[in-house]
Amino acid sequence: QSVLTQPPSVSAAPGQKVTISCSGSSSNIGNNYVSWYQQLPGTAPKLLIYDDNKRPSGIPDRFSGSKSGTSATLGITGLQTGDEADYYCGTWDNSLSAWVFGGGTKLTVL
Amino acid sequence: QVQLQESGPGLVKPSQTLSLTCSVSGGSISSGNFYWSWIRQPAGKGLEWIGRIHTSGSTKYNPSLKSRVTISVDTSKNQISLKLSSVTAADTAVYYCARNIFSYWYFDLWGRGTLVTVSS
Repeated sequence: QSVLTQPPSVSAAPGQKVTISCSGSSSNIGNNYVSWYQQLPGTAPKLLIYDDNKRPSGIPDRFSGSKSGTSATLGITGLQTGDEADYYCGTWDNSLSAWVFGGGTKLTVL
Repeated sequence: QVQLQESGPGLVKPSQTLSLTCSVSGGSISSGNFYWSWIRQPAGKGLEWIGRIHTSGSTKYNPSLKSRVTISVDTSKNQISLKLSSVTAADTAVYYCARNIFSYWYFDLWGRGTLVTVSS
């Protein structure tokens, strides 16, 4: 079981919007920055969002991040078939003194 | 631009030690203030952080693996190494190396990963 909790899967139609939640605790999300990673099939994870809500250069503004208390959310608007991937949240856990990740959410664009 | 490339045996026998190397190209390991991490992913499952080493050589390991893990850095070869002892089938996974900048809380650079299977 992962320290951070994500829904196993989400789906939406092309052009629609989807959100992916990531729930943690005060020892991780509640006191540290959250990052999000996109893992396309057969590839390595790629940084999508950092510091809760910032996008690296080259990441479209269709992707957004937010955080409230001990939960974080990844939003994707204008869904494209190319967005089909697994999405992971991650952060540092102060109690474990370790990086922790969510179990991942598989996005299907119907 | 900096790139990471993992390498090592794709098959390891149970109870033996898994040894992997992450080669850094396009930049010097010691030229910046970085943490270099190993992260693994069993097939069809999520990411698990194994541990990290700072450019200075200081390490931190996942408590769940700490007794079996050693991460080291060879600045002369521009490489980071991972050793995981007493492996079992549960250690079968794709192993990634990844970088995060000191005081920044994200992994900005990942290698492509290497599959290690533990089997007799």
